[in-house]
Amino acid sequence: DIQMTQSPSTLSASVGDRVTVTCRASQSISRWLAWYQQKPGKAPELLIYEASNLETGVPSRFSGSGSGTEFTLTISGLQPDDFATYYCQQYNAYPRTFGQGTKVDIK
Amino acid sequence: EVQLVESGGGLVQPGGSLRLSCVASGFTVFSNYMSWVRQAPGKGLECVSFLYTGGGTEYTDSVKGRFSISRDISNNTVYLQMNSLRPDDTAVYFCARVRYGDYIDLWGQGTLVSVSS
Repeated sequence: DIQMTQSPSTLSASVGDRVTVTCRASQSISRWLAWYQQKPGKAPELLIYEASNLETGVPSRFSGSGSGTEFTLTISGLQPDDFATYYCQQYNAYPRTFGQGTKVDIK
Repeated sequence: EVQLVESGGGLVQPGGSLRLSCVASGFTVFSNYMSWVRQAPGKGLECVSFLYTGGGTEYTDSVKGRFSISRDISNNTVYLQMNSLRPDDTAVYFCARVRYGDYIDLWGQGTLVSVSS
């Protein structure tokens, strides 16, 4: 199975900050990577697919980049609604696997 | 409205069985890839089963031989039959629609399965 490793596990930030989350794959996954946001007690929501494509309705302050084994999710200008846990997921191979998550909390 | 609604979770003893149901609205499960994803308390996400549009299936190793995913076209419902349940199967189980079979673009609200004596 392809292992996905996110860093950091927790990130403390303030409203307005630029935040970056990193996701590394144990082998090359080309650009077959998605990012999700999950708030407590809720289902995750799709933010980005194919490494950098913004899902319809997702604010443009979210962006993704990377290919191969290293990927980043950037939030430019953190908003109060963005405090949540973020997961990456590879879809280069079965089984689809997720990173362990990065919690973005209030500094 | 396009949505997924799960049911069937609950408390079950180790070794017991449960069947989860996921009713889809606004689209047909027959023409979409579907999956069940679970999240243990305080933990991350794990894809436990996957259903191809052609009816083929995939399972994560820890549930192979114990879980079975299926669909009912007449009810537009996806099921997860879970047998020989173990305490480490305790989790919220989400039903999900998988766009092109790749990433999840629609999630249900989740149903909690607790395995304990």
